[in-house]
Amino acid sequence: DGGITQSPKYLFRKEGQNVTLSCEQNLNHDAMYWYRQDPGQGLRLIYYSQIVNDFQKGDIAEGYSVSREKKESFPLTVTSAQKNPTAFYLCASSIDKGVSIYEQYFGPGTRLTVT
Amino acid sequence: QKEVEQNSGPLSVPEGAIASLNCTYSDRGSQSFFWYRQYSGKSPELIMSIYSNGDKEDGRFTAQLNKASQYVSLLIRDSQPSDSATYLCAVNSVRGSTLGRLYFGRGTQLTVWP
Repeated sequence: DGGITQSPKYLFRKEGQNVTLSCEQNLNHDAMYWYRQDPGQGLRLIYYSQIVNDFQKGDIAEGYSVSREKKESFPLTVTSAQKNPTAFYLCASSIDKGVSIYEQYFGPGTRLTVT
Repeated sequence: QKEVEQNSGPLSVPEGAIASLNCTYSDRGSQSFFWYRQYSGKSPELIMSIYSNGDKEDGRFTAQLNKASQYVSLLIRDSQPSDSATYLCAVNSVRGSTLGRLYFGRGTQLTVWP
């Protein structure tokens, strides 16, 4: 049963704590992505990774960190430096279908609340 | 200028009508275009992809692409209340440094009333 899993579905943390969100895929996709979605706003790209051991900053990388040690896994750490961490976090992965076509598929998301 | 813009909505149509969702993009070199459906509280789901000018039909959904006008649309025929969701338009990046990423519009909220 192939897919993208994110855990946990809901996460609560106190301000000042770092927290790591999990994202795993068994689709054999090369690229993985992290997005943040706030109410009434679109998807904003945090980080993405095209291959293992390499990743690029997206549009809102400040206060976040990632690693890509395995093809299947792309964890996101929300650090205490992130000013407004409460949001819906979405992980996605994609496969290169050729000619710059990358279809992205999303995991179920993690809703993070920081108080 | 935003990379991808969608008609802001919300859009409300009666059951059985055609819903038309529109999207424009700024990068003339973009080659792949996607429509995602996102139900409230859920993650986006890919429902259509289109790569060539013209129409692409899949059941009640038709995606239309006009690269000269930098315009892509999604038509939903015989709209059902279950189609009520936010629809996101996404366009690929063709710049070497950002190849592989998609640019998303902010979405159009569609409500289909019985």
